[in-house]
Amino acid sequence: DGGITQSPKYLFRKEGQNVTLSCEQNLNHDAMYWYRQDPGQGLRLIYYSQIVNDFQKGDIAEGYSVSREKKESFPLTVTSAQKNPTAFYLCASSYTGRNSGNTIYFGEGSWLTVV
Amino acid sequence: GENVEQHPSTLSVQEGDSAVIKCTYSDSASNYFPWYKQELGKRPQLIIDIRSNVGEKKDQRIAVTLNKTAKHFSLHITETQPEDSAVYFCAASQIKAAGNKLTFGGGTRVLVKP
Repeated sequence: DGGITQSPKYLFRKEGQNVTLSCEQNLNHDAMYWYRQDPGQGLRLIYYSQIVNDFQKGDIAEGYSVSREKKESFPLTVTSAQKNPTAFYLCASSYTGRNSGNTIYFGEGSWLTVV
Repeated sequence: GENVEQHPSTLSVQEGDSAVIKCTYSDSASNYFPWYKQELGKRPQLIIDIRSNVGEKKDQRIAVTLNKTAKHFSLHITETQPEDSAVYFCAASQIKAAGNKLTFGGGTRVLVKP
């Protein structure tokens, strides 16, 4: 768990702005994920990446973008196209491979508020 | 895609009693079922998981059971303590060589009253 660092912890966005949430892991995990959590709700998958330079949309990708230029890093950009971005954002990572441990570990999260 | 339903949404128990949370899933190909505990404002943390080749797994006061035929699995917490108060999430996925894409239930808020 301690190997996944998200920043900033708190972020305020003005209407029409793009903001980027950072996620870095030193667990040597191949796969990384971004989840969104609304108050009192479960977690919903935004994007995930299984390998460097490749990523796939999750269930709620509209209004978000990601990149995976390095194995350790998977930043999430919340664009102005995301109309209701206020939420708790969780980055996660795991090993890949059917026979390896596939536990997903989460970072500490980033709170994004639109002002 | 996978859909996971979780019940109840809130659960209040007396300290020392047992708590049971139930989840159902829709995709018969799912083969991995973790449970996470999340305290207010914190990250979810894995407390126990089970794979589809096992029907039950225990870890001290926590146990998970899986019924593949009915496509449901449950979390059992015995001898509850105040520190068990938190939100619990079930999840399901089909583990592939390319990774583990979890679908989460809506969560159960557990309150253990002293």
